[in-house]
Amino acid sequence: QKEVEQDPGPLSVPEGAIVSLNCTYSNSAFQYFMWYRQYSRKGPELLMYTYSSGNKEDGRFTAQVDKSSKYISLFIRDSQPSDSATYLCAMKNNAGNMLTFGGGTRLMVKP
Amino acid sequence: GAGVSQSPSNKVTEKGKDVELRCDPISGHTALYWYRQSLGQGLEFLIYFQGNSAPDKSGLPSDRFSAERTGGSVSTLTIQRTQQEDSAVYLCASSLTGPTNEKLFFGSGTQLSVL
Repeated sequence: QKEVEQDPGPLSVPEGAIVSLNCTYSNSAFQYFMWYRQYSRKGPELLMYTYSSGNKEDGRFTAQVDKSSKYISLFIRDSQPSDSATYLCAMKNNAGNMLTFGGGTRLMVKP
Repeated sequence: GAGVSQSPSNKVTEKGKDVELRCDPISGHTALYWYRQSLGQGLEFLIYFQGNSAPDKSGLPSDRFSAERTGGSVSTLTIQRTQQEDSAVYLCASSLTGPTNEKLFFGSGTQLSVL
C-alpha cells in the first residue's frame, strides 16, 4: 500500500463546476501538505501549502486538511478550461528532506 | 535564469549505455532535489543536495545512479548501464533554503527513454 493514495481519474467536469480533489495518507507524522498542478510536459508548480490541519483559501482554490481522518482536499470553484491539468498532492514530516507525492489526478474542464 | 532549467528535454538511449542529465537551479537556491516520475506514478524522491553535499541519497534506486553538484549550482544525475525500467521523466527542483522551505520550484524535466 502506498503512503499517499490519490484517484488517478480522469475527472471530467463542465466549465464553471466546483471540483473536489482528494488524497488519503497513512503516515500520521506528515505535517506539511501541498497541492501541485502539472501541465503536460511541464514540471509541477506549487498551488497551495498548508501546515497541520485546517483550511486555506487562495482565490478560486481552497485546501482542507483533516489529520484525524488522514484526508486532504483541494476545491476549485468556477473551474476553467485552463485548470485542465494533473493535480498532485504532496506531504512531508518535520524531519524529512523529501516530499511524498500522490500519483496525481488528471482533471479535464470542458468549455 | 528565471527558473529551473534541465537538459536535455528528451533523451533516447540504448540499454547498457550511460546517460548524464543536467540541472541548472534558480540562482541563489541552496537546496536541489532530483525526483523521478514514471507514467501514471507520483514523483519518487532520488537525492537531495544542500550546497555541494548530498545529505540524503536514500532514494537512489541502485548503485548505477549517482549525482553531483558543483559550485553550489549545477547538478548532474548520471545513470550507468541504463535499463528499460529507468525510462521515466527525471525532474529537478530547487528551493531557497532547504527542506524546511516547502516551496519547491521544478524544471520541466528530462524524458528518458531506454530502448
